[in-house]
Amino acid sequence: QKEVEQDPGPLSVPEGAIVSLNCTYSNSAFQYFMWYRQYSRKGPELLMYTYSSGNKEDGRFTAQVDKSSKYISLFIRDSQPSDSATYLCAMSAGTGAAGNKLTFGGGTRVLVKP
Amino acid sequence: DTGVSQDPRHKITKRGQNVTFRCDPISEHNRLYWYRQTLGQGPEFLTYFQNEAQLEKSRLLSDRFSAERPKGSFSTLEIQRTEQGDSAMYLCASSSLAGYSGANVLTFGAGSRLTVL
Repeated sequence: QKEVEQDPGPLSVPEGAIVSLNCTYSNSAFQYFMWYRQYSRKGPELLMYTYSSGNKEDGRFTAQVDKSSKYISLFIRDSQPSDSATYLCAMSAGTGAAGNKLTFGGGTRVLVKP
Repeated sequence: DTGVSQDPRHKITKRGQNVTFRCDPISEHNRLYWYRQTLGQGPEFLTYFQNEAQLEKSRLLSDRFSAERPKGSFSTLEIQRTEQGDSAMYLCASSSLAGYSGANVLTFGAGSRLTVL
């Protein structure tokens, strides 16, 4: 079983809808949680990061972390066709040597239809 | 500074040949990472440098793989005697220890795609 699980999709939504993405994880040492967006044939681009449990909002994006359930979510409001991409969750165990590397989920492909 | 640069963007090679990828990180970043991403999967950690020191290597990094960062600036990843299973996107990322707030935020390059025939 992988440390970080993510539904591969594809997730298809109409323009303007809310996109809901999530990941589950098994390593209770993870403290930092990130969401990356990856367009086809491009490198991942950081969208948001969150420390420990709680919510964080940035424009149309909201990230939620529930450490007790080992579950994180990303919501995209008022989705646009330009949001069509693969969304990757990533996690790290914190500072020092344990925080040096990110563990990624497999990515969810999102398609926003005009 | 335009971000993390990787070269070449795409390399096609025959099985058994050696290939080398280069990464130029963001100039003020002292940490550099190599990840591998296969189709439909998330990136997997390969190795990490702080300045010129290689501090961690994944078990995925077999003895056919070698990475260097000789002057703490650019890095190279060499794969010797390539196999078809090496076909993947090789991603380089960098981050800065200065101002480290706990979240080690990585900036990725566009990747170098390897196809082994």
